Amino acid sequence: SQQGEEDPQALSIQEGENATMNCSYKTSINNLQWYRQNSGRGLVHLILIRSNEREKHSGRLRVTLDTSKKSSSLLITASRAADTASYFCATDAGEGAQKLVFGQGTRLTINP
Amino acid sequence: DAGITQSPRHKVTETGTPVTLRCHQTENHRYMYWYRQDPGHGLRLIHYSYGVKDTDKGEVSDGYSVSRSKTEDFLLTLESATSSQTSVYFCAIRDSGPGGNQPQHFGDGTRLSIL
Repeated sequence: SQQGEEDPQALSIQEGENATMNCSYKTSINNLQWYRQNSGRGLVHLILIRSNEREKHSGRLRVTLDTSKKSSSLLITASRAADTASYFCATDAGEGAQKLVFGQGTRLTINP
Repeated sequence: DAGITQSPRHKVTETGTPVTLRCHQTENHRYMYWYRQDPGHGLRLIHYSYGVKDTDKGEVSDGYSVSRSKTEDFLLTLESATSSQTSVYFCAIRDSGPGGNQPQHFGDGTRLSIL
């Protein structure tokens, strides 16, 4: 079963606007990660936020984590056409946290 | 880009035939993973390895086997392929440390079609 679920499933915005994607999960976690996938390619790691962190920034990316609500959000500011991709959250799972469980992803389209 | 090579990149085969996919890494990372990606299901873990000859099952392991005889190679085998195994298969690697603290690095996938 999926640990993380992204919302919305698809998002289409104009270039320059901000894009917000949400992720909800079910069980306690140590960390949550966000990945990007361009069409026809593998996933690329974007950012990791630990369970004791509430917010983290990386360039135009801002990730928040609310462990009380078991949710995270990814904000991309000043979007560009090159940001068009699918975005996935992933949470650690299982004993020893050797595995990640991925959500189904949000398909983001940036219109020029 | 992390040194991960998946082969073949595309394969079409018939139901009932054996299929082996290869993942090769040049990073000397301890952990290697096989996922499948299907519309509506996201990325699901098939098997993973935490060292040479050390493997464990993931969420959707039925019908798949794996082997890791060298640090750099992780093989995924479909003993008798079925149409339900048509999918895009991704290999990922991760350095040592608690799983949640280390990002995974992905190959570009193998698109497998079983007719």
